[in-house]
Amino acid sequence: ELKVEQNPLFLSMQEGKNYTIYCNYSTTSDRLYWYRQDPGKSLESLFVLLSNGAVKQEGRLMASLDTKARLSTLHITAAVHDLSATYFCAVDAEGGGADGLTFGKGTHLIIQP
Amino acid sequence: EAGVVQSPRYKIIEKKQPVAFWCNPISGHNTLYWYRQNLGQGPELLIRYENEEAVDDSQLPKDRFSAERLKGVDSTLKIQPAELGDSAVYLCASSLRSSSGNTIYFGEGSWLTVV
Repeated sequence: ELKVEQNPLFLSMQEGKNYTIYCNYSTTSDRLYWYRQDPGKSLESLFVLLSNGAVKQEGRLMASLDTKARLSTLHITAAVHDLSATYFCAVDAEGGGADGLTFGKGTHLIIQP
Repeated sequence: EAGVVQSPRYKIIEKKQPVAFWCNPISGHNTLYWYRQNLGQGPELLIRYENEEAVDDSQLPKDRFSAERLKGVDSTLKIQPAELGDSAVYLCASSLRSSSGNTIYFGEGSWLTVV
């Protein structure tokens, strides 16, 4: 059974600071996804990482994937209040195609002025 | 381009009553998913369709849950009878199957409260 673990689960940080969210998973996969969810809203796709060593950046967010370590990171640079949300990583089990994602429990991020 | 459309957005029912959710995926997306998200948790896959075929329903509680995707486009998810523990957000998602990886797009969800 594929397990996806995120840490931390809760994070309160100040604007302007940097921080990293970690996502570990238990089985071989080279497809990892990051989503953002605002309260009462659906999931917004942030990044799709498709190979070992993949790195993608959008604004103050940067995601990377190390398939050998079964680890992905989401790095936040100079955080701003608008980034407050819950962030989920999700893994697509090996087998090809859109098999369905296994999600972590999410990291609830609060960025304070 | 319209995203994944779900209805109803909110539903409150008494336990033992039936409820149904409807989903219209993004045009051209042949893969459709139903997920359930409990409060404070990540979504969990219930069923996945490739066109009109249910290719993974291993997590669907078949004693009370059923789903269909007639004609390989819209889909409905039904619960009968509902139990208190079924209170959750039911998310529909769709994707275009691709060997180069694919983004799975989620709808706004149907929020179910069973009282």
